[in-house]
Amino acid sequence: GQQVMQIPQYQHVQEGEDFTTYCNSSTTLSNIQWYKQRPGGHPVFLIQLVKSGEVKKQKRLTFQFGEAKKNSSLHITATQTTDVGTYFCAGMRDDKIIFGKGTRLHILP
Amino acid sequence: DTAVSQTPKYLVTQMGNDKSIKCEQNLGHDTMYWYKQDSKKFLKIMFSYNNKELIINETVPNRFSPKSPDKAHLNLHINSLELGDSAVYFCASSHLNGYTFGSGTRLTVV
Repeated sequence: GQQVMQIPQYQHVQEGEDFTTYCNSSTTLSNIQWYKQRPGGHPVFLIQLVKSGEVKKQKRLTFQFGEAKKNSSLHITATQTTDVGTYFCAGMRDDKIIFGKGTRLHILP
Repeated sequence: DTAVSQTPKYLVTQMGNDKSIKCEQNLGHDTMYWYKQDSKKFLKIMFSYNNKELIINETVPNRFSPKSPDKAHLNLHINSLELGDSAVYFCASSHLNGYTFGSGTRLTVV
């Protein structure tokens, strides 16, 4: 069945360092979405990528969708304490969405 | 003017009890979902309804029964609660771009 693998599961970084989480699908996706869940909160939609090779930026966050539309990444430049949380990718195929298991980001002051 | 609201926020109950969680969305979305998030933060789809009709029913014990009286509401009823049902349950709705999640119901079965 369709799977969406996300790595790493956990990441500790010093404040100011960069952070990247990766998402890989076993099948070609129609689009990929990214969500952020703060501790104690609920997942919040960040962005959707649709086109092959697409790159989108939101301030310090850069999202990429691979050429084959099977992988994606989220890169945060110069992390801040407000970036703490769990980042989920979610791949869409045939109107069905599969969430990755998330990457939990801890920021060390 | 909360987009997706679910109640209650916290629910503590004894094993064997029956409980319900309610969800309402005012976004006009056609599709609503229930997700279960365990202690490891894994989000697992339980049910999906499109315009009041069940379209996804993942491997979930039949003690869980969703009910959608109209496309703005999707409630979840759980019979004979077990310890393993303890988790955070999220309601969500979607249209074309992205899901909107409710704030979650933290269910603790003791």
